[in-house]
Amino acid sequence: KAGVTQTPRYLIKTRGQQVTLSCSPISGHRSVSWYQQTPGQGLQFLFEYFSETQRNKGNFPGRFSGRQFSNSRSEMNVSTLELGDSALYLCASSLGPGQGQGYTFGSGTRLTVV
Amino acid sequence: DQQVKQNSPSLSVQEGRISILNCDYTNSMFDYFLWYKKYPAEGPTFLISISSIKDKNEDGRFTVFLNKSAKHLSLHIVPSQPGDSAVYFCAASGPNQGGKLIFGQGTELSVKP
Repeated sequence: KAGVTQTPRYLIKTRGQQVTLSCSPISGHRSVSWYQQTPGQGLQFLFEYFSETQRNKGNFPGRFSGRQFSNSRSEMNVSTLELGDSALYLCASSLGPGQGQGYTFGSGTRLTVV
Repeated sequence: DQQVKQNSPSLSVQEGRISILNCDYTNSMFDYFLWYKKYPAEGPTFLISISSIKDKNEDGRFTVFLNKSAKHLSLHIVPSQPGDSAVYFCAASGPNQGGKLIFGQGTELSVKP
């Protein structure tokens, strides 16, 4: 079966712009989590959605937002981009809000802000 | 505040020998711990996990040990193989935290033939 699909794979944006990243979970999975990976901070939790509701949120500014649709697909949006937002953004999906081992990660979207 | 720490950024081991990757945590509320493996340009892949009610979990060549009093866990890979070369992340979660994992910085393992 298809894995977690993240689009686009690569993205270059200019400071001040906004960006939307997409995540299609494994079929049947209803929980989606987002992470940011940077060389300095490692993998940091952004937010988690289950059945279109945000269940958990990490310590990121309000410029970072997300949503989940009725088909479980999720998007995250970053407004007013800063150079420090350059990172690999990873999405993970699970059948339900389990404890990590049930989560399958996508290959990520590499965002570069110039 | 780094709640999960992997103090060794890299580790080099000879093929066939044991690889030991270490991880320390500070939050005593964490009750579930995981190890992920990551290759470049791919997302992390789940490797093995352990609940805080256990002190050891084994899966083939991989064993995770948990020392709650020391707030320390380790991943043992025996025997190490060149295909094990990757970045290994430990992660932790607390009660009812679902998919909110707190990751360490990662340790890059290199297994030399």
